[in-house]
Amino acid sequence: ETGVTQTPRHLVMGMTNKKSLKCEQHLGHNAMYWYKQSAKKPLELMFVYNFKEQTENNSVPSRFSPECPNSSHLFLHLHTLQPEDSALYLCASSQGVGPPAMPEAFFGQGTRLTVV
Amino acid sequence: EDKVVQSPLSLVVHEGDTVTLNCSYEVTNFRSLLWYKQEKKAPTFLFMLTSSGIEKKSGRLSSILDKKELFSILNITATQTGDSAIYLCAVSGGSNYKLTFGKGTLLTVNP
Repeated sequence: ETGVTQTPRHLVMGMTNKKSLKCEQHLGHNAMYWYKQSAKKPLELMFVYNFKEQTENNSVPSRFSPECPNSSHLFLHLHTLQPEDSALYLCASSQGVGPPAMPEAFFGQGTRLTVV
Repeated sequence: EDKVVQSPLSLVVHEGDTVTLNCSYEVTNFRSLLWYKQEKKAPTFLFMLTSSGIEKKSGRLSSILDKKELFSILNITATQTGDSAIYLCAVSGGSNYKLTFGKGTLLTVNP
């Protein structure tokens, strides 16, 4: 266990469904991230939250909507997804963004999402 | 645009072999280079390198950074089947200090 917990572990949803992914970190970190991992592609950063404020949206389509109610919790709300959105979605946390915070990110187990 | 290139993309070895994984990068405002091991889902942190020429070591794994030539290597000696995983290289830098990942090297260690 890395101190970052994601639920659910697996999710199958239709293109018209609405679902949410949840992430919780118990490490006392201030920054949280959503990454997308597709086959044969590098991990793609989607969103960054630092002290609950969104500091980066990496040109992510609006069908992905993040929410960060506090520094320990992060959600990714999904609606009207496409089959090409099927991937492993990883949540991560780190001390903070930029020095003096240490940059290493700690990852959750991920949610394997399949859009049918 | 920041870029991280790992090679080889995949590698198959026998137990006991020594392997070297490569990571080259182009990033503005370089801060550090990180190695992760991804076995099933969650990448787990291995090393963080910030200074050239200083080897980081953990058991059979070691890594070193060359900031002049912009690359790092990860060595694994006396490989075991449990070393089978995807090894990810990431670089922290840019204007927003985000981590940029390479595609990873898939290592398979056969008994």
